Amino acid sequence: AQKITQTQPGMFVQEKEAVTLDCTYDTSDPSYGLFWYKQPSSGEMIFLIYQGSYDQQNATEGRYSLNFQKARKSANLVISASQLGDSAMYFCARETSYDKVIFGPGTSLSVIP
Amino acid sequence: DVKVTQSSRYLVKRTGEKVFLECVQDMDHENMFWYRQDPGLGLRLIYFSYDVKMKEKGDIPEGYSVSREKKERFSLILESASTNQTSMYLCALSAGPNEKLFFGSGTQLSVL
Repeated sequence: AQKITQTQPGMFVQEKEAVTLDCTYDTSDPSYGLFWYKQPSSGEMIFLIYQGSYDQQNATEGRYSLNFQKARKSANLVISASQLGDSAMYFCARETSYDKVIFGPGTSLSVIP
Repeated sequence: DVKVTQSSRYLVKRTGEKVFLECVQDMDHENMFWYRQDPGLGLRLIYFSYDVKMKEKGDIPEGYSVSREKKERFSLILESASTNQTSMYLCALSAGPNEKLFFGSGTQLSVL
């Protein structure tokens, strides 16, 4: 099965600092999409950012940016100026052929005041 | 906003019971998904449907089946529930390729 790896089960970051959450994936698809979702302790899944594999520029959405390196098959999420409300689980996801979406195991981020 | 409704927030069933988890959308989106979420494993895709009566197996379909008789409703069926199917089940849908997923609030299923 095609796999997504998030090597950091848990991370800590100081409030107002930037943090990078890692994501690597395997694929032989020529075209695909990459997503990041946030799941706070309430359990809801919140879409953060999307990157198309043919997009020329790295995606940005407010404080979130995606460091996309296609040749390395990595799509790291960068959160700038961390806030206490950023404490949550973060999931990297990839759209495979036939529109299926698979997820990585997640990274738990804790923001320290 | 897209509304994704899962019929139960919490469910307790006995081993061997047949269990139905329902997911209903209020839009006309093609793609619907069933995931299970377990600590340390993330979300694992059970089944996926891209149209009425069309389904594709995900990574962990064993012990599950699905039904999509109408576009707005996607049902997950546990034919004979087992304790290792105790999990959080999440339904999701998308409007199409490269579109974000909308999630239901989840069903925490406990099989005793």
